[in-house]
Amino acid sequence: DIQLTQSPSSLSASVGDRVTITCQASQGIYNFLAWYQQKPGKAPKLLLYSASKLESGVPSRFSGSGSGTDYTLTISSLQPEDFATYYCQHYSSPPITFGQGTRLEIK
Amino acid sequence: EVQLVESGGGLVQPGGSLRLSCAASGFTFSDYNMNWVRQAPGKGLEWVSFINSGRRIIHYADSVKGRFTISRDNAQNSLYLQMNSLSDEDTAVYYCARSFGIAVGGPADYWGQGTLVAVSS
Repeated sequence: DIQLTQSPSSLSASVGDRVTITCQASQGIYNFLAWYQQKPGKAPKLLLYSASKLESGVPSRFSGSGSGTDYTLTISSLQPEDFATYYCQHYSSPPITFGQGTRLEIK
Repeated sequence: EVQLVESGGGLVQPGGSLRLSCAASGFTFSDYNMNWVRQAPGKGLEWVSFINSGRRIIHYADSVKGRFTISRDNAQNSLYLQMNSLSDEDTAVYYCARSFGIAVGGPADYWGQGTLVAVSS
């Protein structure tokens, strides 16, 4: 099974900051990687897929990059509504797995 | 508008069974692959199962294999999860999620609001 390791597990930042979250796979996943945002009590929301493709309606301050085993999610300028938990997910082959999550908090 | 509405959750004793349903609307259900994803209280997301649009491709997480059965009725626009031999480790909010593309399991662009399954004596 492919394991995904996200870092950091938690992050404190301020409005306007640029933040980066990383997701490392235990083996190559050929860009079959998605990023989700989840707010308390709500279902996850798809942000990016295929490592770097922005889902429709998602603000352009969100971007993704990476290849092979190493991927990143970048938020260029944090907005108040961005404080949430972020998960990466691979879908290169079953079983599908998620990273453990990164909790983004207001500093 | 795409909508996914789960139902069937509740309190069940260890060893018991439960059947979850997910009613889909606002899109052509038979064109899309579907998934169940769960989240234990205060924990992260865990993919549970996948079924493709034509019902021919099915996958399960190792943690539920042999106990859970995913199915769908394209005529009724519904997805199901039959859960047997439940243990307290199955306590979670269960989400149904629509995925697109040919790859198993994702990406999931629409999610239901979730239904809580609590396993306790």
